[in-house]
Amino acid sequence: AQSVTQLDSHVSVSEGTPVLLRCNYSSSYSPSLFWYVQHPNKGLQLLLKYTSAATLVKGINGFEAEFKKSETSFHLTKPSAHMSDAAEYFCVVNSGYALNFGKGTSLLVTP
Amino acid sequence: EAGVTQFPSHSVIEKGQTVTLRCDPISGHDNLYWYRRVMGKEIKFLLHFVKESKQDESGMPNNRFLAERTGGTYSTLKVQPAELEDSGVYFCASSPTGGSNYNEQFFGPGTRLTVL
Repeated sequence: AQSVTQLDSHVSVSEGTPVLLRCNYSSSYSPSLFWYVQHPNKGLQLLLKYTSAATLVKGINGFEAEFKKSETSFHLTKPSAHMSDAAEYFCVVNSGYALNFGKGTSLLVTP
Repeated sequence: EAGVTQFPSHSVIEKGQTVTLRCDPISGHDNLYWYRRVMGKEIKFLLHFVKESKQDESGMPNNRFLAERTGGTYSTLKVQPAELEDSGVYFCASSPTGGSNYNEQFFGPGTRLTVL
């Protein structure tokens, strides 16, 4: 079965400092991995996806993630946090057409 | 282009009542999915439609839940009778046909269901 584990339920950073949201995956085959973001009272929005092409994936709003097979990780990073990045972030792996979500990481950005 | 819409945004009902949630996918998207997030848990897959056909309903929790997609356009998810543990946020998503099954799923804002 395909699953993901988000290692932090809450992350707090200061505006302008780097963001690191951690995700490990478990998959019996080469997975497709995604990061989704949910801002308050909004739907889930796709940030980026990995589908066995380049291991470093660039997404929207300056986010990127690196697929590391040896570490079974797909961590999300951003060089400099902005106040508007405050939201809940979900690491996701596909299982056929269905998506399996991690528990989510709430990102707090302080001035 | 309009996104995925869901109605209502919030619903508060009493245990034993019936509630029907509606999802309108992006126009032209044949794939429609339902997910839900109960308090403190992950977002979980419920089922997948291709047009009007149920392709995968392995995530449906029990027979109190009935999903339909007549005509292959909008979908409804009925809970009858509702129980306390059904409280949570119900998300709908859609994706286009063709390509791989890694197509991006476009999510709606969700319906927050509270069962008292």
